[in-house]
Amino acid sequence: EPEVTQTPSHQVTQMGQEVILRCVPISNHLYFYWYRQILGQKVEFLVSFYNNEISEKSEIFDDQFSVERPDGSNFTLKIRSTKLEDSAMYFCASRLYNEQFFGPGTRLTVL
Amino acid sequence: QKEVEQNSGPLSVPEGAIASLNCTYSDRVSQSFFWYRQYSGKSPELIMSIYSNGDKEDGRFTAQLNKASQYVSLLIRDSQPSDSATYLCAVNHNQGGKLIFGQGTELSVKP
Repeated sequence: EPEVTQTPSHQVTQMGQEVILRCVPISNHLYFYWYRQILGQKVEFLVSFYNNEISEKSEIFDDQFSVERPDGSNFTLKIRSTKLEDSAMYFCASRLYNEQFFGPGTRLTVL
Repeated sequence: QKEVEQNSGPLSVPEGAIASLNCTYSDRVSQSFFWYRQYSGKSPELIMSIYSNGDKEDGRFTAQLNKASQYVSLLIRDSQPSDSATYLCAVNHNQGGKLIFGQGTELSVKP
């Protein structure tokens, strides 16, 4: 069964460094999302992406964040200058119709 | 006001019993409703979606939606220890839009 994949599974970085989180959505899906979950808290929406542009973003998704679909398969989330509070699980999701399917996540640890 | 509310639990049920998980939402324009299961340290896994009032059954799972009361529930029949996880209720306001998650209810099924 097709599934969303994400790399790396765990990323450790120093505060102020740039990180790129990578996702490969399910191949025939058209809509892509990033969510994050801080330890012990609820899953929060960051951004949605369709037809090579952002369709919606949350207040969390400030100028430090960007998304890109550099080719026909990858979908990336870049954090330009990481902060301690960016430490969280980051989940990519994709959908074709109404149901969103999540990848396994990237655990980002900012030291 | 919280948009999606769930009792955090833990809800403890004996093996073979029915587990009942509840969720309320504040925005009447919510259109689609989802239940995800999340094992500790893992990503949300879609188990049920429901879009219209009434019941929807899939194996041991039944989702119930009451839009007038802004209430959605999940029943798990013949609960198994492997059902022990956190169950996340999620809604979206427009078909395919961002998901808004509740805090999740932790379910523990005791052998």
